[in-house]
Amino acid sequence: GQNIDQPTEMTATEGAIVQINCTYQTSGFNGLFWYQQHAGEAPTFLSYNVLDGLEEKGRFSSFLSRSKGYSYLLLKELQMKDSASYLCAVSDSNYQLIWGAGTKLIIKP
Amino acid sequence: DTGVSQDPRHKITKRGQNVTFRCDPISEHNRLYWYRQTLGQGPEFLTYFQNEAQLEKSRLLSDRFSAERPKGSFSTLEIQRTEQGDSAMYLCASSLVSDTYNEQFFGPGTRLTVL
Repeated sequence: GQNIDQPTEMTATEGAIVQINCTYQTSGFNGLFWYQQHAGEAPTFLSYNVLDGLEEKGRFSSFLSRSKGYSYLLLKELQMKDSASYLCAVSDSNYQLIWGAGTKLIIKP
Repeated sequence: DTGVSQDPRHKITKRGQNVTFRCDPISEHNRLYWYRQTLGQGPEFLTYFQNEAQLEKSRLLSDRFSAERPKGSFSTLEIQRTEQGDSAMYLCASSLVSDTYNEQFFGPGTRLTVL
């Protein structure tokens, strides 16, 4: 079967760094996406990885290891506005997105 | 605004009524997806279209749900004889499938409350 696992909830302090992990088992792989979703809003795109390694975009970085079926999203210099859910999604062999349940990130002052 | 739009943004209905939602994708996108999302969960796939063809429906989708995409442009999702368990956020997304990339752009969603 297809499965995406990520922690349900994480807490971090403003100004700190947090790493959100995602492991996956899917039929085929055409890339991994991270989306951010604030409460009551639609998901918005953060990053895309299709090759192994680290992709950096400002305060956010995303890492992929295809052999391990593993990715993480790294958020640096946390701000209160980063409080949101972070969704990991894998594009399968039909370019369908298989979604994790999301990680709710709580930022404390 | 050239993003994905959905209408209505909120819908309150009584159990047993029919409801219809509309999604207008980004104009050059060839794929359109419908998802359902409940609190604390990721989006749950319902169905998707490539141009006007409906290519896949979730096995979880009951016969009360139907979707159309006439002419490969906007899409509608209809729920007949609504039940309280249908209360959720219904998200529409569109994408332009290429060999290497399939970022989905989401609309703001329609929040359905069934009383």
